[in-house]
Amino acid sequence: GAVVSQHPSWVICKSGTSVKIECRSLDFQATTMFWYRQFPKQSLMLMATSNEGSKATYEQGVEKDKFLINHASLTLSTLTVTSAHPEDSSFYICSASSGQESNTEAFFGQGTRLTVV
Amino acid sequence: QKEVEQNSGPLSVPEGAIASLNCTYSDRGSQSFFWYRQYSGKSPELIMSIYSNGDKEDGRFTAQLNKASQYVSLLIRDSQPSDSATYLCAESRGTSYGKLTFGQGTILTVHP
Repeated sequence: GAVVSQHPSWVICKSGTSVKIECRSLDFQATTMFWYRQFPKQSLMLMATSNEGSKATYEQGVEKDKFLINHASLTLSTLTVTSAHPEDSSFYICSASSGQESNTEAFFGQGTRLTVV
Repeated sequence: QKEVEQNSGPLSVPEGAIASLNCTYSDRGSQSFFWYRQYSGKSPELIMSIYSNGDKEDGRFTAQLNKASQYVSLLIRDSQPSDSATYLCAESRGTSYGKLTFGQGTILTVHP
């Protein structure tokens, strides 16, 4: 399968600071990238859908001004958690898809463990 | 009502047995279904995808889809301790390629 690289794998930051997470598709062009969040012992929840060159579409309840998403190229999307607080501590996972057909698989990055202290 | 529902378990089976994992979904517009395995602290890895009614087999894994009953299942034959993980059922609507709605996951433990 295709390779999606996420960086960093883990990060600890102070409350009030901002953190940027990168998601790269290494061997294919990702027209769409998805950002998920997973709290401990819970399932993955979609936060937003990111299309190259356009604004991200956020799911209900996700603050777009707090979780800034940029998809400037076909191989890179970034998620910036602004003014992070301890309740933002979570496992953030991106996935990337190259196709627009309904059966096109999306490939997951390895995830980023964010801890806000 | 949750869109994708799974029994959270834990499900415990002995090594060599068949593990049966079940999932129901509420949206009849769902077209694509996926089973992912997730080890603790890791991102999900795709085990099976299924789009049509019936069975789909891949090695020790068999996925079953029944759209009339809105039911998806995963059978793991000859279960191994390394299969111990959380299994996530996910669905995708036809127009939302790669946009997945996940169930809460079933914790599977295979004991020697």
